[in-house]
Amino acid sequence: QVQLVESGGGLVKPGGSLRLSCAASGFTFSDYYMSWIRQAPGKGLEWISYISSSGSYTNYADSVRGRFTISRDNAKNSLYLQINSLRAEDTAVYYCATRYYDSTGYYLKWWGQGTLVTVSS
Amino acid sequence: QAVLTQPPSLSASPGASASLTCTLRSGINVGTYRIYWYQQKPGSPPQFLLRYQSDSDNLQGSGVPSRFSGSKDASANAGILLISGLQSEDEADYYCVIWHSSAWVFGGGTKLTVL
Repeated sequence: QVQLVESGGGLVKPGGSLRLSCAASGFTFSDYYMSWIRQAPGKGLEWISYISSSGSYTNYADSVRGRFTISRDNAKNSLYLQINSLRAEDTAVYYCATRYYDSTGYYLKWWGQGTLVTVSS
Repeated sequence: QAVLTQPPSLSASPGASASLTCTLRSGINVGTYRIYWYQQKPGSPPQFLLRYQSDSDNLQGSGVPSRFSGSKDASANAGILLISGLQSEDEADYYCVIWHSSAWVFGGGTKLTVL
């Protein structure tokens, strides 16, 4: 079955960096666009980035552009998010999600369980 | 002004119907967007419920009961998630989403309480 497993979260000081990973299985990873979405404690969902199936195209939310970098390794069925210059407001659960598509269109179908990033001194 | 606005909370009784609204910002026409709806329960990732563009262009998520349905109110420039025959397990946060300007845009979410 489809699995997305995020890792790499943890406690980090303001200004620090982290690299999040999302390991995919159960589907042809290289066929699908992927996204990162985050959720601050007790708050709503915020899309932060997507990457095309080949990795050629990326986009970011204004709130993270210039600090976050999305990438993927299709040979390893893995998605990454490099997070730099962390701020307290980046504290959140970070989810990876797959943009599934079929003849009717696309949607964010498969989601991981998330990894918690806490930014605090 | 947020792109998508959802009421923060809604309460309804078991067996009743609940209508959750997702209002698009002025200047963004609901008629041109597919509205996606997600349900999220505490401690779990969001789950896709349905996608609605029109009665002829909509998608129900796998395993999602037919008592969850979508519609639009063009006069209010809003997407609507209708849940009929409310059950206790429907108590959750609900998010609307659109694909706008090459980005997924989420509404702030509505917490549905079934009591």
